[in-house]
Amino acid sequence: EVQLVESGGGSVQPGGSLRLSCAASGFTFSSYWMHWVRQAPGKGLVWVSRINSDGSTTGYPDSVKGRFTISRDNAKNTLYLQMNSLRAEDTAVYYCARESKSGSDSDYWGQGTLVSVSS
Amino acid sequence: QSVLTQPPSVSAAPGQKVTISCSGSSSNIGSNYVSWYQQLPGTAPKLIIYDNYKRPSGIPDRFSGSKSGTSATLGITGLQTGDEADYYCGTWDSSLGAVLFGGGTKLTVL
Repeated sequence: EVQLVESGGGSVQPGGSLRLSCAASGFTFSSYWMHWVRQAPGKGLVWVSRINSDGSTTGYPDSVKGRFTISRDNAKNTLYLQMNSLRAEDTAVYYCARESKSGSDSDYWGQGTLVSVSS
Repeated sequence: QSVLTQPPSVSAAPGQKVTISCSGSSSNIGSNYVSWYQQLPGTAPKLIIYDNYKRPSGIPDRFSGSKSGTSATLGITGLQTGDEADYYCGTWDSSLGAVLFGGGTKLTVL
């Protein structure tokens, strides 16, 4: 059974940093691209970042580029999101998601971890 | 506001059919596959349609997807109260180099 379990969320002050983790199991983690997607309270889904299977290629929207860094440890079956210079508008539930082999969708999602940025 | 446009809400009675539209442009829907996600209250999104019209294993055939030009549509027939959820379309934008999601549509089964 495919499982994705996020952790590392919490409360942080504006300008602070946080690192999220996503532990993967039930599939060959090193064979799949992975994504982070966030959802602000009461709002829609917003893509945050993606990484290819060996970690050599990453992508970000302009809203987080230069502040967030996605990475992975295939030996530990774990995906990470390092978030720096956090802003109030980064407050959201952060989901990790597996990109399907077709490359056009995310076929499995974790349960999410809440990040709250406030003073 | 999202690059992909969805109606904020739709509603229909149990047993009826509903459609949810997702409008984009040539750089996203017009040139890439569309997927649809169902998000039940308080839960993570779940893939229900991929590659425009395909259903993952376990998704009933009451759910269907289609695409024409720069728009996509999710259809749900035989509505059940358990279908009440937020539905999101998603695709890749070749110009932005980004994954896009629609703003979401809240389905109410009256």
